[in-house]
Amino acid sequence: SQKIEQNSEALNIQEGKTATLTCNYTNYSPAYLQWYRQDPGRGPVFLLLIRENEKEKRKERLKVTFDTTLKQSLFHITASQPADSATYLCALSSPSSNDYKLSFGAGTTVTVRA
Amino acid sequence: EAGVAQSPRYKIIEKRQSVAFWCNPISGHATLYWYQQILGQGPKLLIQFQNNGVVDDSQLPKDRFSAERLKGVDSTLKIQPAKLEDSAVYLCASSGRRANSYNEQFFGPGTRLTVL
Repeated sequence: SQKIEQNSEALNIQEGKTATLTCNYTNYSPAYLQWYRQDPGRGPVFLLLIRENEKEKRKERLKVTFDTTLKQSLFHITASQPADSATYLCALSSPSSNDYKLSFGAGTTVTVRA
Repeated sequence: EAGVAQSPRYKIIEKRQSVAFWCNPISGHATLYWYQQILGQGPKLLIQFQNNGVVDDSQLPKDRFSAERLKGVDSTLKIQPAKLEDSAVYLCASSGRRANSYNEQFFGPGTRLTVL
């Protein structure tokens, strides 16, 4: 069966350090992968998209890698700040006959200590 | 640009009662999604509309859930009758182009449903 697994444990880090989150998948052949941020009581907010033929993508302090051989994506938050505290969701999309619907992982909760 | 609007934000009902949720997507967005997010899990797609047609409803429990998107704009999701396991946050999202695209999805704040 298809599975998307993110870090099972919450991540607690010191301000200024780099947070690294993992997203592993099985039985998918994703065309692309997205990362979203979700704050308590709010809907997810899109952060980054990386395509299957891309190795790395950056946006400000965020970096995403995508290894289709390992079936894994890594999400890095560099120079972390308390405002980065949130739950981060990875979402995969595989092309099907009529759409590119998203399947989400359970998310990893990050807490950045001042 | 206004975001995705949802109402109500919170709803508490008894099991076997009915409930309806409303969503207004971002203006001009053709694709609309309803997700169910159970506490501690990621969002699970229930139904996807392209304009007012259904693209995917494979994970919608059709014996109790129904959804419509009249005129290709607003959408309602209904549960009748509700079960305890329907307690969750119901998220609406929209995206700007065709279903076959890489577009990001824009989410509303969600409706938190508690079934007692």
